Order: sequence, then C-alpha cells, then structure tokens
Amino acid sequence: GAVVSQHPSWVICKSGTSVKIECRSLDFQATTMFWYRQFPKQSLMLMATSNEGSKATYEQGVEKDKFLINHASLTLSTLTVTSAHPEDSSFYICSASGGWDGLGKTFGSGTRLTVV
Amino acid sequence: AQKVTQAQTEISVVEKEDVTLDCVYETRDTTYYLFWYKQPPSGELVFLIRRNSFDEQNEISGRYSWNFQKSTSSFNFTITASQVVDSAVYFCALSGYNNNDMRFGAGTRLTVKP
Repeated sequence: GAVVSQHPSWVICKSGTSVKIECRSLDFQATTMFWYRQFPKQSLMLMATSNEGSKATYEQGVEKDKFLINHASLTLSTLTVTSAHPEDSSFYICSASGGWDGLGKTFGSGTRLTVV
Repeated sequence: AQKVTQAQTEISVVEKEDVTLDCVYETRDTTYYLFWYKQPPSGELVFLIRRNSFDEQNEISGRYSWNFQKSTSSFNFTITASQVVDSAVYFCALSGYNNNDMRFGAGTRLTVKP
C-alpha cells in the first residue's frame, strides 16, 4: 500500500533558527502533497497544498514567507519553518496523493516541533 | 464554507460497550468526500474510511460501522464491542473533490476502560 515517510519525527530548535521537515512518498508518485498543523489537543488545520513543480497554495492566515514549501519532485516535499519562534511549536503532518483514488488516505507520521 | 462539527469532545466507555461518534457537516458542494481518522497517542493519523457524497450506503468493517445520511448531513461512526486499543482521538473530515480544502472536525477523544 501507499506509504508516506515524514522526517524528523521530533525536533527541538532554538528560537530564530530554521527547521526543515521532509515528506516522502516511498512507493508512489505524489502529485499533490498537503501540510497540516495541529496544536496540542486541537484539530488539524490545513496550511498549504503543493503540486509537484508548482508554487504551493497557502491557506488564509498562513505566512508563506515563514513556512516555505518545496515540492521539487514527485516523491519529496519539504516544509521549512524559518526563523522559528515558540508559538510555532506544534505537530506538523503531511499527506500525499498520487491521484484521485489516494486522496485523503495517506499521511506521514508527523513531526513534533518544539522551539525553545 | 465547509464545516465539520463533532459535538462530543470526550467519551468514556467500558470495554465491550458499543459507542457512536457523531459527525455533522456543512458544505455547498454537490460532490464531496467524508472521512474518519483515528489518532492514537503516538500522533500518527490512521485512515479509516472515505465516502463520497453519491454513495449513501452504510458500511461495516469488522467492529466498525458508518452511517451516512445526506438528509441530516451526518456521517456517524459506531464501534461495536469496544476494546481498550480503540482509545484514541477520532476525527471526522470533509473535503471537496480535489481534497485541497479538507476540513477536520475538532475530534472526539474516546477512552475505553477495561
């Protein structure tokens, strides 16, 4: 079945530094990837949608200059949190789709980011 | 605008009890998808089911069953004979045809006690 690998699973960084999170589709080509953020005991909120080779589409209220998304290949998308601050501490999770049938079915295992 | 409401914040049951998790949605789309996910304490999101708006058939998978009723905009999830391993947060979600506008409900935390 379709597998999505997300790395790292957790990261602690200092305020002001940047952190990169990778999302890879291991056994299929992901034409579209989605990035979500989940604060403690809250629901998942869609941050952005990225299509391979195109600029990401960001949801309202999500700063595109702060959350840089690159989807340069059909198997890899990255989310970079630039100049991270404590309020960016959250659980980030990606989802990948290779086509209509796979929509919404495959998620990465998530990355817990703590900014100190 | 799309919206998903899971009115039950937390549910606690004793093992072997049946439990139903409610989900009510709002959308103006004629074609849409509904989902249920399980999120155990480890955090990963486990896909349980996807249902499209044209398929109102109820579905059963082992101890899990889903009741989709367009007339009441509901997509409820029932676990029969609950087990301790069912303890998790369960999310209902709604998306348009391209999945690029997926909206999650607030989630229901289910605790199954032995």
